[in-house]
Amino acid sequence: DIQMTQSPSTLSASVGDRVTITCRASQSISRWLAWYQQKPGKAPKVLIYKASTLESGVPSRFSGSGSGTEFSLTISSLQPDDFATYYCQQYYSYSTFGPGTKLEIK
Amino acid sequence: QITLKESGPTLVRPKQTLTLTCTFSGFSLRTSGVGVGWIRQPPGKALEWLALIYWDDERYSPSLKSRLTITKDTARNRVILTMTNMGPVDTATYYCAQTLESGPTVSSFHYWGQGTLVTVSS
Repeated sequence: DIQMTQSPSTLSASVGDRVTITCRASQSISRWLAWYQQKPGKAPKVLIYKASTLESGVPSRFSGSGSGTEFSLTISSLQPDDFATYYCQQYYSYSTFGPGTKLEIK
Repeated sequence: QITLKESGPTLVRPKQTLTLTCTFSGFSLRTSGVGVGWIRQPPGKALEWLALIYWDDERYSPSLKSRLTITKDTARNRVILTMTNMGPVDTATYYCAQTLESGPTVSSFHYWGQGTLVTVSS
């Protein structure tokens, strides 16, 4: 099984900040990685797929990069609506989600 | 407009079999590359992919494969997941979701249902 890790587990930031969340795979997954945003009591929402492809309708302040085993999600200028939990998902060998990163208001 | 909605029991006894139904609209499983998956999330924990079905193929989480069966009712636009031998650790919100982009084995997920909380308790 491919294991996914995310760092940090919790991130405190302010509106307007640039933040980056990292996701690492236990083996190479090429670029088969997606990022999701989840708010309390709601279903996840896909932001990025194929490591860097922005899903239609997602604001351009979200961007993804990486390949192989290391990936990142960057929010260029945090907005109030962005405070949520973020998950990465590999879909190279079956599928595994990361443990999540909770983005909190500082 | 694409929608998905999960339905099934909210309470299951230990060792029983869980049957969940995902009823969807706005797309067809007959379309090449389109599938429906099941993902669960225990309270306060991370997401876990369970199973995925396309028109002509099914995929299962290796760790849960022996307990899972995913089927489709194309005429009624439904996907059914059964999970046997339920235990307290299976307490979770269960989501169904439409596939977005297919990878070598599974897929990322696009549209999600609202989820249904299943509690396993005697």
